Amino acid sequence: ETGVTQTPRHLVMGMTNKKSLKCEQHLGHNAMYWYKQSAKKPLELMFVYNFKEQTENNSVPSRFSPECPNSSHLFLHLHTLQPEDSALYLCASSQEANEQFFGPGTRLTVL
Amino acid sequence: GEDVEQSLFLSVREGDSSVINCTYTDSSSTYLYWYKQEPGAGLQLLTYIFSNMDMKQDQRLTVLLNKKDKHLSLRIADTQTGDSAIYFCAESMGNTGFQKLVFGTGTRLLVSP
Repeated sequence: ETGVTQTPRHLVMGMTNKKSLKCEQHLGHNAMYWYKQSAKKPLELMFVYNFKEQTENNSVPSRFSPECPNSSHLFLHLHTLQPEDSALYLCASSQEANEQFFGPGTRLTVL
Repeated sequence: GEDVEQSLFLSVREGDSSVINCTYTDSSSTYLYWYKQEPGAGLQLLTYIFSNMDMKQDQRLTVLLNKKDKHLSLRIADTQTGDSAIYFCAESMGNTGFQKLVFGTGTRLLVSP
């Protein structure tokens, strides 16, 4: 499989649940990114990892917890989310500061 | 601060040209990008332009950059119904080891037969 994959594609969770989003890239890139896409708002960069080290955290609430065990995998652990966290969560990867390649996203609904 | 603006909606007829506009604020941007997002999908890179260029053509796509006015446009020639999607412009802030992009809100292009 090539490119950037994300699982699950859709997720519905209650505010007290704990769930995780997974991203995997098969491109040999060093950098991986999490974005949040809400309706009528620009994509918001949440986290950046470079060679497994977190380099950006854009004031994201602690109920979102990223994990990057290696350069190919990125997780976003979710707990006690709010309904306003419902959005499309996109993962991307890049080689250095070159173009980013995006996954298809996980559509998250928080009830 | 960093801000990228786009009009929200554009409607054209099949066969016409489409022009999607974008303004950005950071004059130090190194690259400017156009991404396409189809329903239920992630973002697909369409094209990009280096900040020292003023035009780039790639088949049906033409990118124009006016650095003085911080204005970027994407022209799609002979627009097809398959071009219906949301188009995002983004400026690259540049970093060592990774890329920081600032995206616009996206322009929804609707192409009618």
